[in-house]
Amino acid sequence: GAVVSQHPSWVICKSGTSVKIECRSLDFQATTMFWYRQFPKQSLMLMATSNEGSKATYEQGVEKDKFLINHASLTLSTLTVTSAHPEDSSFYICSASPKYEQYFGPGTRLTVT
Amino acid sequence: QQPVQSPQAVILREGEDAVINCSSSKALYSVHWYRQKHGEAPVFLMILLKGGEQKGHDKISASFNEKKQQSSLYLTASQLSYSGTYFCGTENSGNTPLVFGKGTRLSVIA
Repeated sequence: GAVVSQHPSWVICKSGTSVKIECRSLDFQATTMFWYRQFPKQSLMLMATSNEGSKATYEQGVEKDKFLINHASLTLSTLTVTSAHPEDSSFYICSASPKYEQYFGPGTRLTVT
Repeated sequence: QQPVQSPQAVILREGEDAVINCSSSKALYSVHWYRQKHGEAPVFLMILLKGGEQKGHDKISASFNEKKQQSSLYLTASQLSYSGTYFCGTENSGNTPLVFGKGTRLSVIA
């Protein structure tokens, strides 16, 4: 099956620093990848749609200057949380689709202290 | 528009069956079902694209009604490994982001 990886699996950082999360499709190419955020015991909330070679499309209420997305190739998208604050602590998950179904990465747990 | 899932939570004994429903007020392009265990990413179960479609593997199956507004996930002879939160994700048109329901927490006990 299609495999999506994320790096790192977890990160703890101090308030005010920036954190980069990578999402890779290992055995397929993905023109589009999606970034989600999930708070404890809640559903996945779409943050943005990452398009290879063009700007990401952000959902309403998601600050594009705070959550920088770069889709450098057909197999790699990165999410950078800039000037992170404790309220940004969450589980960040990416997904990619080879055709119809979406496959999720294992997620990155971000804790901002 | 977020799909509505029911029930919110269910507890089963091993071997019992369960049905999880996912409904929308508008016709959908597709319905995707996922299971998520605590602290892990969602795992894809299956996708339904056609009205009236039914599919499954092992003892987990799903249906999509003719109007493509409602889908059900069927878990038969449940096993302990079925425990987790089940999400349906829906698309209003092709190749668009999924909108997830709030999830159904399933607990299977011995």
